[in-house]
Formats: sequence, structure tokens, C-alpha cells
Amino acid sequence: DIQLTQSPSSLSASVGDRVTITCRASQTISSYLNWSQQKPGKAPQLLISGASSLQSGVPSRFSGNRSGTDFTLTISSLQPEDVATYYCQQSYSSPLTFGPGTKVDIK
Amino acid sequence: QVQLQESGPGLVKPSETLSLTCTVSSGSIRSYYWSWIRQPPGKGLEWIGYIYYSGTTSYNPSLNSRLTISVDTSKNQFSLALNSVTAADTAVYFCARGGLWQPLDYWGQGSPVTVSS
Repeated sequence: DIQLTQSPSSLSASVGDRVTITCRASQTISSYLNWSQQKPGKAPQLLISGASSLQSGVPSRFSGNRSGTDFTLTISSLQPEDVATYYCQQSYSSPLTFGPGTKVDIK
Repeated sequence: QVQLQESGPGLVKPSETLSLTCTVSSGSIRSYYWSWIRQPPGKGLEWIGYIYYSGTTSYNPSLNSRLTISVDTSKNQFSLALNSVTAADTAVYFCARGGLWQPLDYWGQGSPVTVSS
């Protein structure tokens, strides 16, 4: 099974700050890495697919990047509505797996 | 805009079978993978399994022996059956479009299921 590790597990930042979350895969997954945002009591919402493709309707302050088996999600200017837990997920091979999540809140 | 809606009992007794159905609207079930994911209270997301519209399935190895996922293309529905449940199966169960090589791009709102006598 492909393991995904995320760092940090939580972070607190100020409005307007640049925030970066890292996801590392235990083996190659090409670019089959997706990022989702989950707010409390809600279903996850896909933000980025294929490591760097922003989904329609997602603010442009969100971006994704890949370097080998390391992936990053960046929020260029943190907004209050970005308070949520962020999960990476690989769709390269079965069983599909999720990272443990990164909880983001406002300082 | 594709919409997914889970339906099924919110309470299941230990050792019984948990059954949920996901109805897909405003889009065809064809040419996609369809997944089930669950989230225990206060914990992260766990992929349960997926089915392709043609009927091909893949399951989480940790649940494989207790799990069946099926599809009914005529009703635009797919279903989950998890037998011999215990309290550890208590979770919010989500259905979603996507699976192998496809992102989970549309999700249902989630169906909370409690396993208790």
C-alpha cells in the first residue's frame, strides 16, 4: 500500500500569511495526487487534482506542486474562510489512500 | 452539476449488516469510478472501496472480507454492504465520484451510521 505523510499536522497562521502543507508519498504515484478541504460537519471538497490542476470555482490563492514524491499545497494569502482540515489523497493505485490531514486555523 | 445522496439506516446493531445506497443525479453513472469513504468521529478519512460502472470493484484490504459494493446503472445508484459490524464501524459514510486514476471530485453530504445495540 502507498503511504502518505503530511506535515505539519496542524498550523496556526495570520490572515494574509502564505501557508504551505507538504504531502510525501512512500513510492512513486506520478502526479495522481489530489488535495481536498474539509470544513467541520461537511463533506470534503476537491481543490486540486493531478498535483497541480485547480478545480473550477476554487480561489486562485490555492496552488499545488510536485517534486518527485513530494507534493505541496500552498495558500498564497490565508483567508478566514480557509479554516479547515486539508487532506492529500492518491489515486495512482489501489488501495486508494489519504494522508492524515493538516488542520489550519487563524492565529 | 453532479449530485450524490447517501441513504440508509443511521443505526445498526452489532454483528448485523450495514447497507447504504448512493443515488447519482444530474449525471450518468457510466464511464466513472464510484467510491465509498468513511470518517470515524474525530478522525481522518478512510477509503472503503470503489466500483466501476461496468461492475469491476476494488476494496480496502482491511475490510475486504466483510464488504460488497454493487452498482445498478438503470437506477444510477451504487451500494455498500458491510457485514458483521462492530462499534469500530461507527462513522460518517460518504459516497463520491472517482477512484483509480480519477480524483474524488463530487461527494455526497455524508450519512452518519452508529453501530450499537
